[in-house]
Amino acid sequence: DAMVIQNPRYQVTQFGKPVTLSCSQTLNHNVMYWYQQKSSQAPKLLFHYYDKDFNNEADTPDNFQSRRPNTSFCFLDIRSPGLGDAAMYLCATSGLYNEQFFGPGTRLTVL
Amino acid sequence: GDSVTQMEGPVTLSEEAFLTINCTYTATGYPSLFWYVQYPGEGLQLLLKATKADDKGSNKGFEATYRKETTSFHLEKGSVQVSDSAVYFCALTNSGNTPLVFGKGTRLSVIA
Repeated sequence: DAMVIQNPRYQVTQFGKPVTLSCSQTLNHNVMYWYQQKSSQAPKLLFHYYDKDFNNEADTPDNFQSRRPNTSFCFLDIRSPGLGDAAMYLCATSGLYNEQFFGPGTRLTVL
Repeated sequence: GDSVTQMEGPVTLSEEAFLTINCTYTATGYPSLFWYVQYPGEGLQLLLKATKADDKGSNKGFEATYRKETTSFHLEKGSVQVSDSAVYFCALTNSGNTPLVFGKGTRLSVIA
C-alpha cells in the first residue's frame, strides 16, 4: 500500500537542463514537504505546503520551485541544475501527530 | 530555536549486542519526538514516536522513552540484527504542522 509515491526513483539530467520531480500521496494529508538530502546527512527542508499555502525556507535557492495543483500531488522543479544539486530528494506528508510519512526518494544525478 | 543532538556515529556492533543511541533535544513547549530509520538507498521510515512526557514508543524491538526532565529520547534495542544496519535520525516537532527538526543521524553497522 504505497502512501507517498515519488517518480522517478532515479533521474539523470545535464548541467543546466530543467528537471521536474513528482510526488503523490494517498493519505489525504494537508501538509506536504520537499527535502534535499546529501550523503546520509539529515534531510534539509526546502519548502512545505499547508494546503495551498506555500512556505519557502529562507535559504532555499531560487533555482528550486514547487507546485501543488491539488491535495494529492506536489512537484519540485529545478530550473537550472548545477553539480551541487545532485542529491536525494525526499517528499513527505504530515499526519495526525505531526509525524511525517516519507516517500522512497528520487536520486538526482547531474552530469 | 529548537534543536536535536544525537550521538555521533558510526556505531559498529556485533549481532545480538545491546544498542543505545543517545538523543537530547532543546525545544519550547511540548514537542512530539520521533525516531526515523533510513536503509541504504531508501527514504526515511518512521520507527517510533512519543507525543508526551513519559510516553514510551516501541516498534520492531526498538524502544525510546520521552524524558522531559532530562530532555532525552534515547533509542534502545536489546539484541540487534544485521538487518538493523541503517542510519537512525532523532527528530522533533512542536505543535501544529511545523516541520521536523532532525538530528544529524547516526549510522549503525551490525556485523555477524
